[in-house]
Amino acid sequence: AQSVSQHNHHVILSEAASLELGCNYSYGGTVNLFWYVQYPGQHLQLLLKYFSGDPLVKGIKGFEAEFIKSKFSFNLRKPSVQWSDTAEYFCAVRQGSGTYKYIFGTGTRLKVLA
Amino acid sequence: GAGVSQSPSNKVTEKGKDVELRCDPISGHTALYWYRQSLGQGLEFLIYFQGNSAPDKSGLPSDRFSAERTGGSVSTLTIQRTQQEDSAVYLCASTSGGANTGELFFGEGSRLTVL
Repeated sequence: AQSVSQHNHHVILSEAASLELGCNYSYGGTVNLFWYVQYPGQHLQLLLKYFSGDPLVKGIKGFEAEFIKSKFSFNLRKPSVQWSDTAEYFCAVRQGSGTYKYIFGTGTRLKVLA
Repeated sequence: GAGVSQSPSNKVTEKGKDVELRCDPISGHTALYWYRQSLGQGLEFLIYFQGNSAPDKSGLPSDRFSAERTGGSVSTLTIQRTQQEDSAVYLCASTSGGANTGELFFGEGSRLTVL
């Protein structure tokens, strides 16, 4: 069965610090990869997604993620975080064919100190 | 409305009672998903519907859980004989479906508390 691991459960950073959140998945075939964000009191929304092509994808609000197939990873990065980035971040994987089931990780709670 | 609508937003029930949670997806979206969000557990897949295909029920935790989707639109998640461990936020999401779509659009969720 597919699974998604997010190893950092809680991260606390000061403003302007760099961010990298880890995401690893277990599935050997073609995958589609996503990062979602849930700001306090709001619903989940898409940050970025990878389907094919350039493994470095850019999303909203200065976030980017890099797909490394050999490592089954899709880490999220941002060079300089802001207080408004305080939120919970979820990595998700969907098989590239056959099923459209999205499997989510357990999430990473990010707190940015002003 | 323009987004995914879920009701009720909050539900408090007693152990052993049945509950129904409703999801109204974005108009035209053929795929509809239910997830359960518990503290520290992330989003747990429950079930998804894609068009007229048989639903993928592989995530339903027990036979107390069931879901249906009428007319390819509104969906109802039913939990029978609720238990305290069923307390969670139940999220519904929809998407236009197909291989090249990606973004799931989530509702605000239904927070269920079982006393």
